[in-house]
Amino acid sequence: DAGVTQSPTHLIKTRGQHVTLRCSPISGHKSVSWYQQVLGQGPQFIFQYYEKEERGRGNFPDRFSARQFPNYSSELNVNALLLGDSALYLCASSLDHEQFFGPGTRLTVL
Amino acid sequence: QKEVEQNSGPLSVPEGAIASLNCTYSDRVSQSFFWYRQYSGKSPELIMSIYSNGDKEDGRFTAQLNKASQYVSLLIRDSQPSDSATYLCAVTGFQKLVFGTGTRLLVSP
Repeated sequence: DAGVTQSPTHLIKTRGQHVTLRCSPISGHKSVSWYQQVLGQGPQFIFQYYEKEERGRGNFPDRFSARQFPNYSSELNVNALLLGDSALYLCASSLDHEQFFGPGTRLTVL
Repeated sequence: QKEVEQNSGPLSVPEGAIASLNCTYSDRVSQSFFWYRQYSGKSPELIMSIYSNGDKEDGRFTAQLNKASQYVSLLIRDSQPSDSATYLCAVTGFQKLVFGTGTRLLVSP
């Protein structure tokens, strides 16, 4: 079975631009979570969605938003990009307690 | 105080030795505990989950949980150079996983 997929793999943007990251969960998983990981740190929680409803939000500004679609795939949107948004963005899907990560999207903001 | 604390390392062990990785957490209501392995430039890979006090073994890996002491550990027996990676401890918080900063493990041949 396919694991969690994310697109794009890499992305380069300039300050002030907007970005959309995409995630498809493991088949049968209804929950998707988004994390930001900067170098040398553990992943930081951004959002969790379950059955298209937001179930949790981390300590990130309103420039960050997300949604989940009827097929359980998800998008993470970031507006007005800042240099500090450069990071690895991880999507994780879960059926129960265990979360399985996709390969991530490496975002570089110049 | 950080919610999940790990020694950043590096922890250096010779091939064939036991590697012991430790993690403490601050939220007493946490119920689920996980260890992830992350190779450089890759995403975290779930290697162990533990939910109740005691030991849980899976192949060369043993996870240990002590909720009274708010302590989770991971033992890797017969360490191999391919085990060299960063090991992330994660604990469930309200609707989210909270990660430590990870411990870098180096296994020398």
